[in-house]
Amino acid sequence: EIVMTQSPATLSVSPGESATLSCRASQSLGADLAWYQQKPGQAPRLVIYDASSRATGIPARFSGSGSGTDFTLTISSLQSDDLGVYYCQQYRGWPPWTFGQGTKVEIK
Amino acid sequence: EVRLLQSGGGWVQPGGSLRLSCVGSDFTFSSYAMSWVRQAPGKGLEWVSDIASAGFTTHYAASVKDRFTISRDNSQNTLYLQMDNLQAGDTAIYFCAKPGLTSWSFDSWGQGTLVTVSS
Repeated sequence: EIVMTQSPATLSVSPGESATLSCRASQSLGADLAWYQQKPGQAPRLVIYDASSRATGIPARFSGSGSGTDFTLTISSLQSDDLGVYYCQQYRGWPPWTFGQGTKVEIK
Repeated sequence: EVRLLQSGGGWVQPGGSLRLSCVGSDFTFSSYAMSWVRQAPGKGLEWVSDIASAGFTTHYAASVKDRFTISRDNSQNTLYLQMDNLQAGDTAIYFCAKPGLTSWSFDSWGQGTLVTVSS
């Protein structure tokens, strides 16, 4: 099973600043990685797939990068609507698909 | 817009059974594999099971294998999860999720349904 490790656990960012979230895999994923945003009481929402492709309707301030074992989600010019928990998910080693433990983004 | 509407869930005693349903609309349901993902209270996401588009191939997480059964009825655009011998550790919100055609990222999710296993 591929283990996904996210850091930091919590990120406090002021509106307008950038947020950088990290995800590390225990084995190489190529680019088979997705990022999700989950707001309280809601289902997750796909943000990035294939490591760097934005999902439909996702603003350009969200960008993904990385390949292999190290990946980054960057939210530039953070807005209050961006708060929530962000999860990475690998889909290279299957089954099972595995998720990171999440990074909570707070507005400072 | 793709919609996944879930039903089922609720409270059950340990050892009991429940069946979850997920109806898909506004996409060609029979062309897509489908999955179930769960989230224990205050915890992260855990993949549970998936089923191929025609329903002949299924996979399960080790934690639910031999207790849960995923199935689908493509004539009714419906995905199911039959959960037997439920345990306290199965308490979670269960989401159905649709992957893309060429990617196992989940681009659409149901609203989630809470399953509580408690005596």
